Amino acid sequence: GAVVSQHPSWVICKSGTSVKIECRSLDFQATTMFWYRQFPKQSLMLMATSNEGSKATYEQGVEKDKFLINHASLTLSTLTVTSAHPEDSSFYICSARLFGNTIYFGEGSWLTVV
Amino acid sequence: KQEVTQIPAALSVPEGENLVLNCSFTDSAIYNLQWFRQDPGKGLTSLLLIQSSQREQTSGRLNASLDKSSGRSTLYIAASQPGDSATYLCAPQRDTGRRALTFGSGTRLQVQP
Repeated sequence: GAVVSQHPSWVICKSGTSVKIECRSLDFQATTMFWYRQFPKQSLMLMATSNEGSKATYEQGVEKDKFLINHASLTLSTLTVTSAHPEDSSFYICSARLFGNTIYFGEGSWLTVV
Repeated sequence: KQEVTQIPAALSVPEGENLVLNCSFTDSAIYNLQWFRQDPGKGLTSLLLIQSSQREQTSGRLNASLDKSSGRSTLYIAASQPGDSATYLCAPQRDTGRRALTFGSGTRLQVQP
């Protein structure tokens, strides 16, 4: 079946540095990918919608200059957390939409900023 | 803006009990609704997807119902097992635009052996 892969699963970075998380659709081409963030014991909150070949659409309150999203191909979207701070430590998870609205989720990425 | 509420927030039951998890949402203009399972520190596993035109879906010991007009869905778990312990998330999908999912805060279920 369709699979969405995220990499890395775990990442630790120093405060002030940038970190990139990749989301790949392995068996299908995804015209739309979604990025979510989940803080401990909270639900998933949509950060942005990534459309192939165009700029991402960010949810209210999400800084587009801090969370850079690139969707350069139909199988890859990347989220770059720039100048990371400890409060950015969270679980980041992507999902990809197959043509026809079926949505598949990646395994998620744990980010810890120290 | 869609608001999703899940009740109860946490539930602890002995093995073998039948359970009902509740989900309510404020915007009934949904395309479908999914129930997910999330194990600690893990991603999401889709359990059931109900299209807006459907009333219920069943998979094994799981049954999900949808009352779109009243903005409610329930997940019924029959004969619960310790392996069912996880957080269960309800997520209606928007009917328009980008069709992202809006997640509830989840029900943390613990099934005692």
